[in-house]
Amino acid sequence: GAVVSQHPSRVICKSGTSVKIECRSLDFQATTMFWYRQFPKQSLMLMATSNEGSKATYEQGVEKDKFLINHASLTLSTLTVTSAHPEDSSFYICSASPPQGAFYNEQFFGPGTRLTVL
Amino acid sequence: AQRVTQPEKLLSVFKGAPVELKCNYSYSGSPELFWYVQYSRQRLQLLLRHISRESIKGFTADLNKGETSFHLKKPFAQEEDSAMYYCARYLISSGSARQLTFGSGTQLTVLP
Repeated sequence: GAVVSQHPSRVICKSGTSVKIECRSLDFQATTMFWYRQFPKQSLMLMATSNEGSKATYEQGVEKDKFLINHASLTLSTLTVTSAHPEDSSFYICSASPPQGAFYNEQFFGPGTRLTVL
Repeated sequence: AQRVTQPEKLLSVFKGAPVELKCNYSYSGSPELFWYVQYSRQRLQLLLRHISRESIKGFTADLNKGETSFHLKKPFAQEEDSAMYYCARYLISSGSARQLTFGSGTQLTVLP
């Protein structure tokens, strides 16, 4: 299959600071990546679709100035949580789809990043 | 809205018993449906998709358009099947990105 990594796996920060989370496709190029948020014992909620070379598409209710997404290359998308507050504490997961090949259009998920804002 | 509903948050069965995890979807043309599994401390991974009509780890799922259901079944549950299971579908959109929407998940526990 295809491998997606995330860094860091967990981060603790103070309220008011910004945190950057990286999502990388390790063995394929991804023109599109997705960012999800998962609260404890709840489902994954799509936050935004990250498009290489263009602006991200945010889901309704997601503040684009709060959650900055940059898809700088075909293997890297970053999510920056700006001026983080305790309510932003959550599990953030990214996914990516190979654009071609045997796993075309199948979404592969990263291991997730646990963000705790104090 | 293109919803996916999993009515059971928790499901417990004994080892060797049959298991069925329910999933219903809101009708919208020809959906593409999936089951994802998340074992403890591991990432989400694809279990099976309806278009493949495959059996993975003994699990099968049949799309029933009349009942708008895509229930996941296994005739004999094993302890290692204990995990969180999510039903998901591709959202139908005009763009090229294939967005997934997930059900709320069912935590399956297989008791010894």
